Amino acid sequence: AQRVTQPEKLLSVFKGAPVELKCNYSYSGSPELFWYVQYSRQRLQLLLRHISRESIKGFTADLNKGETSFHLKKPFAQEEDSAMYYCALKALNRDDKIIFGKGTRLHILP
Amino acid sequence: NAGVTQTPKFQVLKTGQSMTLQCAQDMNHNSMYWYRQDPGMGLRLIYYSASEGTTDKGEVPNGYNVSRLNKREFSLRLESAAPSQTSVYFCASSGRVTLHFGNGTRLTVT
Repeated sequence: AQRVTQPEKLLSVFKGAPVELKCNYSYSGSPELFWYVQYSRQRLQLLLRHISRESIKGFTADLNKGETSFHLKKPFAQEEDSAMYYCALKALNRDDKIIFGKGTRLHILP
Repeated sequence: NAGVTQTPKFQVLKTGQSMTLQCAQDMNHNSMYWYRQDPGMGLRLIYYSASEGTTDKGEVPNGYNVSRLNKREFSLRLESAAPSQTSVYFCASSGRVTLHFGNGTRLTVT
């Protein structure tokens, strides 16, 4: 069974400080991992995916298969980063089921 | 460029009433999904459809039914609403990887 765990419900960080949002997963096969973000009064949208290995809005995430983690990082937090962040997992080569973690609310303090 | 459109935006039901949430996408995506979003629970998958004519249960399917009417439309039906189904419901579609979300339906069951 697939499972995504985001251990922090709320993370408060001062502007300019580093950010790390944790995501751990369990899945016996090959997963694809994503981070989605929901800004206030906006739709959920894709932030980044592990396969593309890109940096979006200064955020990066590396898939660590040994630790089954996909933590989201940003070296210097900005106030506009305040939002709800969800980690998601898709089972590669096995239907299209996509499940999410419980989400972490990131609050950037001025 | 409508993307994913959900109707209605808001709905109040009494316990035992039935209703159907509508979802349509204009991106020619094969896969469609219904999630519910609850505080502290994140996004939970109710049902999904990998292609026209197929549907599969997600994490929390009890109390719901779905219909993939055609490639564009994927509806969610509550036959006998219960207060536990008070939630925000999101429809999403996916081509190969990225989920595109609708704006959500806020449902209250009294």
